[in-house]
Amino acid sequence: SQTIHQWPATLVQPVGSPLSLECTVEGTSNPNLYWYRQAAGRGLQLLFYSVGIGQISSEVPQNLSASRPQDRQFILSSKKLLLSDSGFYLCAWSRDEGDTQYFGPGTRLTVL
Amino acid sequence: AQSVAQPEDQVNVAEGNPLTVKCTYSVSGNPYLFWYVQYPNRGLQFLLKYITGDNLVKGSYGFEAEFNKSQTSFHLKKPSALVSDSALYFCAVRDLNSGNTPLVFGKGTRLSVIA
Repeated sequence: SQTIHQWPATLVQPVGSPLSLECTVEGTSNPNLYWYRQAAGRGLQLLFYSVGIGQISSEVPQNLSASRPQDRQFILSSKKLLLSDSGFYLCAWSRDEGDTQYFGPGTRLTVL
Repeated sequence: AQSVAQPEDQVNVAEGNPLTVKCTYSVSGNPYLFWYVQYPNRGLQFLLKYITGDNLVKGSYGFEAEFNKSQTSFHLKKPSALVSDSALYFCAVRDLNSGNTPLVFGKGTRLSVIA
């Protein structure tokens, strides 16, 4: 069976510091991978998605970037965090772009 | 373009009563529709999906959803609500004629089941 991991589970960072969140998927190959941000327990904002190694589509221009160095690894980064980067970050995978997405447990990021 | 709307931010229902969480969609072709549930500080969990076939789709935890093409709706239902059903519910859509595009999620509806 497939599983998806995210770490860390929680993170508190000062404004201006760098960020690296990691997502890995087990039990499948060539997954489509997604990063979402959820603010204040409400709607999801799709940040990035990837259909293969090194292929990243950005949905919203902002202070964040994503990379996919390996088939089942997806990393969300920032060089300098802003207060507005605080939120709940969710990683998801699917077999195809429009197929069922399966979500990880999320990372709660607080920028102070 | 594809879009989905969840017209209610909050739905309150008494335990044991039937519940409905509403979702309407807009696509140019045929829709591929999903429901997810999110408990506090957790990731989203897949409940059910509709592609083609029977308009009534049954999913996890006793939930079902009815696809209505004429009303462009995909409402989530459960005959008897439990307190443990209290959570945030998301509807999502993809237009099958739009090529390879990610799902579009609604803003979510918070369901509160009162004992």
